Amino acid sequence: DAGVIQSPRHEVTEMGQEVTLRCKPISGHDYLFWYRQTMMRGLELLIYFNNNVPIDDSGMPEDRFSAKMPNASFSTLKIQPSEPRDSAVYFCASSRDRLNTEAFFGQGTRLTVV
Amino acid sequence: AQSVTQLGSHVSVSEGALVLLRCNYSSSVPPYLFWYVQYPNQGLQLLLKYTTGATLVKGINGFEAEFKKSETSFHLTKPSAHMSDAAEYFCVVTIQGGKLIFGQGTELSVKP
Repeated sequence: DAGVIQSPRHEVTEMGQEVTLRCKPISGHDYLFWYRQTMMRGLELLIYFNNNVPIDDSGMPEDRFSAKMPNASFSTLKIQPSEPRDSAVYFCASSRDRLNTEAFFGQGTRLTVV
Repeated sequence: AQSVTQLGSHVSVSEGALVLLRCNYSSSVPPYLFWYVQYPNQGLQLLLKYTTGATLVKGINGFEAEFKKSETSFHLTKPSAHMSDAAEYFCVVTIQGGKLIFGQGTELSVKP
């Protein structure tokens, strides 16, 4: 398996624009997580899915953020409208379960909102 | 609730020296503990994990960690640092049915 695949690797957008980040988890993994990493706040869990169903979105900062998982092999994180404070690295991770097994991370999407 | 504290946001060692990255956790029930490593411009990669059983856990790249319940610690060590160990290291705690709680991270620098 190629691992967790995220696209794009880098995104630069203007304030107010819509941004969509994409993730393909490892086949057979039932859990998918979206994290945000910033210098100030470290690594934050935004939302996670189990079998394509959102389980906990309490980490989603605002209504401007939304995430979907239409099928087991694809998820999106959308920011609309984007703001400069959304600039961060966004990671997607997947695992077979939440605990004893390893969470595999993608390489991240570095988002810059100007 | 669970929490994790990594002592020292930045640690610098010389090549060949002992690496010691400190992690203390708080949990009201038996925790599961992990160390992840993040190389520059990369995602996180699991180094090692403790769930149950032997308290000394060995991981990849020569790293190991010991779960000490009495001290609520899970420090990461490596006997001899290599230049390629330079990265950011995250201690993580969770419990049955819980979410992964990440520490703030410790950046390890290795001097030649």
